[in-house]
Amino acid sequence: AQSVTQLGSHVSVSEGALVLLRCNYSSSVPPYLFWYVQYPNQGLQLLLKYTSAATLVKGINGFEAEFKKSETSFHLTKPSAHMSDAAEYFCAVSDTGAGSYQLTFGKGTKLSVIP
Amino acid sequence: DADVTQTPRNRITKTGKRIMLECSQTKGHDRMYWYRQDPGLGLRLIYYSFDVKDINKGEISDGYSVSRQAQAKFSLSLESAIPNQTALYFCATSDRLAGQETQYFGPGTRLLVL
Repeated sequence: AQSVTQLGSHVSVSEGALVLLRCNYSSSVPPYLFWYVQYPNQGLQLLLKYTSAATLVKGINGFEAEFKKSETSFHLTKPSAHMSDAAEYFCAVSDTGAGSYQLTFGKGTKLSVIP
Repeated sequence: DADVTQTPRNRITKTGKRIMLECSQTKGHDRMYWYRQDPGLGLRLIYYSFDVKDINKGEISDGYSVSRQAQAKFSLSLESAIPNQTALYFCATSDRLAGQETQYFGPGTRLLVL
């Protein structure tokens, strides 16, 4: 069984400030991990994914995430927030063991960027 | 054109009505999924299909049914809609490429059941 916990349903940052969105996972096998972004009135778009290669993963729009096995974390960061980053962000885990390769999503973190 | 399309984009219906949400994809993927999104709950899996003859229930399949008419088409039906099925519904597709499961999402269907 696998699960994802996103700490903080709402995060507000000032424009130009660091963005840090937290994600912790639970998985009985080595996981694949994903961050998706949902802009208002749109579907989910893949930001980045970890698939057991480099632990620091770079994604689109200047975002990156670091896989830390000891902390079971996959936090999403961006050095400098832009107004266009305001959206909802979802962390997800995929079970790579024998089975269905389903994605389990966290409940999401809504990011607000203050001018 | 979008790789994953959903129709309709918005739908209002009444309790007890049967409705169908449709999903089509041009990505050539074998796997297709239906999720619902509710505020504060994230996305929850309703049904998934790994090919035309392989359909499986997800976390919250009660009250829903699906049909995989072709590799590219996967429909979700609510046989008798109820108000707590009001939600945003997403279709997704994936292709297990080199052991990496990445899902691609459609734009969503916003359903309101009165």
